[in-house]
Amino acid sequence: SQQGEEDPQALSIQEGENATMNCSYKTSINNLQWYRQNSGRGLVHLILIRSNEREKHSGRLRVTLDTSKKSSSLLITASRAADTASYFCATDSHGGGADGLTFGKGTHLIIQP
Amino acid sequence: KAGVTQTPRYLIKTRGQQVTLSCSPISGHRSVSWYQQTPGQGLQFLFEYFSETQRNKGNFPGRFSGRQFSNSRSEMNVSTLELGDSALYLCASSLRPGTDYEQYFGPGTRLTVT
Repeated sequence: SQQGEEDPQALSIQEGENATMNCSYKTSINNLQWYRQNSGRGLVHLILIRSNEREKHSGRLRVTLDTSKKSSSLLITASRAADTASYFCATDSHGGGADGLTFGKGTHLIIQP
Repeated sequence: KAGVTQTPRYLIKTRGQQVTLSCSPISGHRSVSWYQQTPGQGLQFLFEYFSETQRNKGNFPGRFSGRQFSNSRSEMNVSTLELGDSALYLCASSLRPGTDYEQYFGPGTRLTVT
């Protein structure tokens, strides 16, 4: 079953604009991760944020985590055509990842040149 | 450092056949996990291996099995293939077992069952 649910399902913006994707989950977590997937290929790890962290940055990426609302957001600033991809949030299950990572269905991001 | 490699990249099989997929983790990584990705169900956890032992298994029938060798390479096997097994099968490796660590994914094996 899906723990994380991304919103929106699809997003199309102009190059240079910022893109924000949201993820909601159902049960308590130890950490939440964001991954990117280009056109049916393997996933690339972007950021891991732990349950005791509220915000994390990596280059043009900013991730926030609100455990009280069971939600996270991924912000990509100054988007580029190469950012076109599907973005997934993934959660563990509190207690050590007994069932591996649980992925949402993803947000498909299209950057228009 | 070489990334995670998966072979074969593409495979076409017939219903009822069996298939074996292979995954070589990043050098030094001893944990290997497998995921199935389909348009309908998305990404779903199959199983995780660490030090040649299966640590966790997802909610898949017994037709799905795997193993890990002493060099950390892993194989997964699907017997009696069904049309619904058509999917992208992704392997991921990490330094340690569990989900507290970054997972490095391979390019996947796209399996088509006809």
